Amino acid sequence: NAGVMQNPRHLVRRRGQEARLRCSPVKGHSHVYWYRQLPEEGLKFMVYLQKENIIDESGMPKERFSAEFPKEGPSILRIQQVVRGDSAAYFCASSPGGSGRDNEQFFGPGTRLTVL
Amino acid sequence: GEDVEQSLFLSVREGDSSVINCTYTDSSSTYLYWYKQEPGAGLQLLTYIFSNMDMKQDQRLTVLLNKKDKHLSLRIADTQTGDSAIYFCAESPGSYIPTFGRGTSLIVHP
Repeated sequence: NAGVMQNPRHLVRRRGQEARLRCSPVKGHSHVYWYRQLPEEGLKFMVYLQKENIIDESGMPKERFSAEFPKEGPSILRIQQVVRGDSAAYFCASSPGGSGRDNEQFFGPGTRLTVL
Repeated sequence: GEDVEQSLFLSVREGDSSVINCTYTDSSSTYLYWYKQEPGAGLQLLTYIFSNMDMKQDQRLTVLLNKKDKHLSLRIADTQTGDSAIYFCAESPGSYIPTFGRGTSLIVHP
């Protein structure tokens, strides 16, 4: 049973470049969440997606950040024109849906983005 | 607004008990969680407690909840070096988005 997979595990970009982070949820899970962890901070919610739909993007910066979860393939978090402040660990989680404890989130190992 | 606070570091000797504390502000919290993050890895759900409970025990782990004071603790009995990690407290009002604390780094030394 494969858990949540994220790639790449480490990503280095120069200022102004684009970063694409991928997340494959647990097989059978249709809900995906993206979180950002800044150094010595807790996880901050960014966006919640179901297949082909953005359910809640209240934690996403208004500019440069976008996310998708297509019908086929992984979820993608895209950061355009990266700046040094985007350097962080980005975690993806997936859940099966449902309510309460049935909707437990399983976390991936994260992608550590470094912007030079 | 929602806020979850926990101390940043805890150092214990191997074999002793560890107690990691957490306070939260959202009185509508329904689920309270403890996650463990090992170096370079994602978060792993350790245990959780419903807000209508005051204690939950799971092998070496004991969770205590004081709902009146909005205080949550995680006790690890017979702490081992493999328990060294960052422990995150999180709360959720029943929706899908938990609010996380900054994490407590537990250091276990011989």
